[in-house]
This record gives sequence, structure tokens and C-alpha cells, in this order.
Amino acid sequence: NAGVTQTPKFQVLKTGQSMTLQCAQDMNHEYMSWYRQDPGMGLRLIHYSVGAGITDQGEVPNGYNVSRSTTEDFPLRLLSAAPSQTSVYFCASSLWAHTDTQYFGPGTRLTVL
Amino acid sequence: QQQVKQSPQSLIVQKGGISIINCAYENTAFDYFPWYQQFPGKGPALLIAIRPDVSEKKEGRFTISFNKSAKQFSLHIMDSQPGDSATYFCAARYPGTASKLTFGTGTRLQVTL
Repeated sequence: NAGVTQTPKFQVLKTGQSMTLQCAQDMNHEYMSWYRQDPGMGLRLIHYSVGAGITDQGEVPNGYNVSRSTTEDFPLRLLSAAPSQTSVYFCASSLWAHTDTQYFGPGTRLTVL
Repeated sequence: QQQVKQSPQSLIVQKGGISIINCAYENTAFDYFPWYQQFPGKGPALLIAIRPDVSEKKEGRFTISFNKSAKQFSLHIMDSQPGDSATYFCAARYPGTASKLTFGTGTRLQVTL
């Protein structure tokens, strides 16, 4: 199993551009989530999904959209990038919504100029 | 509002020493308290976790001590090794239908020879 994979690893955007961060898992996990990691702030939950077709907002959802059309994929969309969205983004998954262990991907480092 | 407060921000310990990282939480409804370990350029990985009905949990050199009345929990790393050098995050989970974690701000541990 590849586990949780994320692409790209690095990305530089200009303010106002849009892009999609990809996340996929091959463990047949129902629960997937996106976090952003900023210095001195730990990880903050952006959006999560408890199964295909079901998504909900986390702690910091503004400026981000998600969809979950398949169990395997959970892309994160930035509609109009802002410098405040410069961060490292992590995708995570777990077997069920309330399973203890969440598995994190390797992260995407995004810089918005 | 930081619901999980973590200290210290950074820690330097000699090889063979004991590393102690502390966390305090505010929401008494949290039902699960994991610790994650993150190496540079990697995603966080679950290290050890505890539930609030247990006062201590030990796995190898890693121990969580949990004080429910004080709303505090800590990670102890015995016989610290250079390979333990990483950033450690405590977290707490909201109960309910989704495994939403709220993280501390992280502690960068350096174990010197």
C-alpha cells in the first residue's frame, strides 16, 4: 500500500490564482481530512469528509473548497490564492470517522506570492 | 483560542536523558488524547495515545501521564536518543461523528550526543 499520497510536493502561486491540491489513499478509509500547518500554530483542520459525497467544514475553511466523489480521493481547491494561504498542507485519513489512528500524507508546501 | 496549550516550544536533552513535554486542555468533553511525532519534511505520525479514563500509558520508552482533574497530560521520553529528535504535537479529539483533532503548537526536541 502507498498509504496517503499528496501531489504536488511544492507549489508557488501568484495571488489570485487557483489550484487543486491532490490527496489519495489506497487503504479504503472512509474518513479523510485536510490540515494546514503554520509555524507556532500547530495543525488546524480545514475540511473533512466522513465518506464519499459527505464533506464538512473544520476550524479554518474560508478560501478552500473540497469534494469527495470517490472513497480514494479528497482534493482541496484554492479558488483565489492569497498570501495568507502560504502554508504546509497535510491530508490525513482513517478507517472510520471515529477510528483512533489517523494517517498523514507527506504534505504539500504552498507559497503564495 | 488555543484549546490545547503545549510547552515548551523547544527542548534540548542530552542522550540518555528524559524529555518531558506538557499539554493542557480546556474542553472536558475531549475523549482521546494522541501524541504525534513529525520528522522534517514528513507528515505527522501517531506515536502514542490515551483516553481520559486512564492515568498513564506506556509504550517502550514513551509514556503519557494524564491528570484529568488538572486537565493536563504529558509525554515522557525515557533514555532519549538522537533519533528521537523531531517535533512533537499533542492533540485532543472532539467526541461525535467525526474524528476532529485539535492540535497543540508543537515542541521541537533536539537530543544531543
